[in-house]
Amino acid sequence: RKEVEQDPGPFNVPEGATVAFNCTYSNSASQSFFWYRQDCRKEPKLLMSVYSSGNEDGRFTAQLNRASQYISLLIRDSKLSDSATYLCVVLMDSNYQLIWGAGTKLIIKP
Amino acid sequence: NAGVTQTPKFRVLKTGQSMTLLCAQDMNHEYMYWYRQDPGMGLRLIHYSVGEGTTAKGEVPDGYNVSRLKKQNFLLGLESAAPSQTSVYFCASSYSDLRWQETQYFGPGTRLLVL
Repeated sequence: RKEVEQDPGPFNVPEGATVAFNCTYSNSASQSFFWYRQDCRKEPKLLMSVYSSGNEDGRFTAQLNRASQYISLLIRDSKLSDSATYLCVVLMDSNYQLIWGAGTKLIIKP
Repeated sequence: NAGVTQTPKFRVLKTGQSMTLLCAQDMNHEYMYWYRQDPGMGLRLIHYSVGEGTTAKGEVPDGYNVSRLKKQNFLLGLESAAPSQTSVYFCASSYSDLRWQETQYFGPGTRLLVL
């Protein structure tokens, strides 16, 4: 089993819709979680950290469910510019290294 | 302020050839990292450095060597390239240890093809 698993997609979503991604992780001791965004043939960029109580940044909401070991990302009122691959990342407590999911590709259609 | 830069952007090698990838950052970051990204897989850590003159192995270090002679530079070497090393290589840096929720800043990547 992969340490961090994501649905690879692609998710094809009309502009203005709401879309949600889930990510599951295997190490229950993991403490820190992140969502990164990666545009085609570009480097990953931090989208947001995920806090225990959940957090929101504009149209983006991240939530953590420790009991079920998954994190989610919700994008409301999606824009064409949201088209990208979204990477789920978990910080390992054992060595403070990041474990990356393979990413979920999102395509927003006009 | 260029952030993190990588050279070259693209390279084709023949099996057995050697090369060095250069990463430079101008943010005075202590920590630097080398990752590889392959289709259908997450980024995997090759080597990292917690400061000038120090290096450590990551998840997939075999076939690679690194050096951090200057704080701003982190070099990744392939002594004898193999087709399995065909990948996109990303360098990243952070001000301090990731346990403190530090943000990693990435370079634009180097696409390497080994024939």
